[in-house]
Amino acid sequence: AQSVSQHNHHVILSEAASLELGCNYSYGGTVNLFWYVQYPGQHLQLLLKYFSGDPLVKGIKGFEAEFIKSKFSFNLRKPSVQWSDTAEYFCAVKGNTGKLIFGQGTTLQVKP
Amino acid sequence: DTGVSQNPRHKITKRGQNVTFRCDPISEHNRLYWYRQTLGQGPEFLTYFQNEAQLEKSRLLSDRFSAERPKGSFSTLEIQRTEQGDSAMYLCASSFSSNTEAFFGQGTRLTVV
Repeated sequence: AQSVSQHNHHVILSEAASLELGCNYSYGGTVNLFWYVQYPGQHLQLLLKYFSGDPLVKGIKGFEAEFIKSKFSFNLRKPSVQWSDTAEYFCAVKGNTGKLIFGQGTTLQVKP
Repeated sequence: DTGVSQNPRHKITKRGQNVTFRCDPISEHNRLYWYRQTLGQGPEFLTYFQNEAQLEKSRLLSDRFSAERPKGSFSTLEIQRTEQGDSAMYLCASSFSSNTEAFFGQGTRLTVV
């Protein structure tokens, strides 16, 4: 069965700290992976995606993620977080019908 | 705003009542998806349409739920005989195809009292 697991449910960081959010997936087909972000009161927005090619993908706002096939992982990173990064982050894998399977989400709180 | 639009944004209803939500996708997007999100969880897939055809339904979509997409444009999601367990955020997303990015609406928050 397709599934996505996010390791951290709630992360609290100070500004300028480095961020890494874990994501592991279970899916037997061609893997398309995503990170979405949901800022308070706003809709889900795409941060970055991996379809094929370079396993290190760069997204908006300085975020990047690395696809490690052997570990079934797609961890999200940012070298230096800002207060404005406070949001909920969702990892997702796309099935072959196009539907997204989401993890349970990680709430990131950045303290100024 | 040319993004995905959902109405209403909030709905409070009494248990046992029927409710209907509407989603207007981005123009020319062929695919339309419905998801449900409860507190502390990620969105869960409910169903999707390719144009007007409903191609997949999750087991989460009980027989009290029905979705339509007449003419392949907007979509409606109806819940009959609502239960407290139906309280959630209902999200709509659209994409041009299965291989392109899905854009999400702001959702309809349903509260069943």
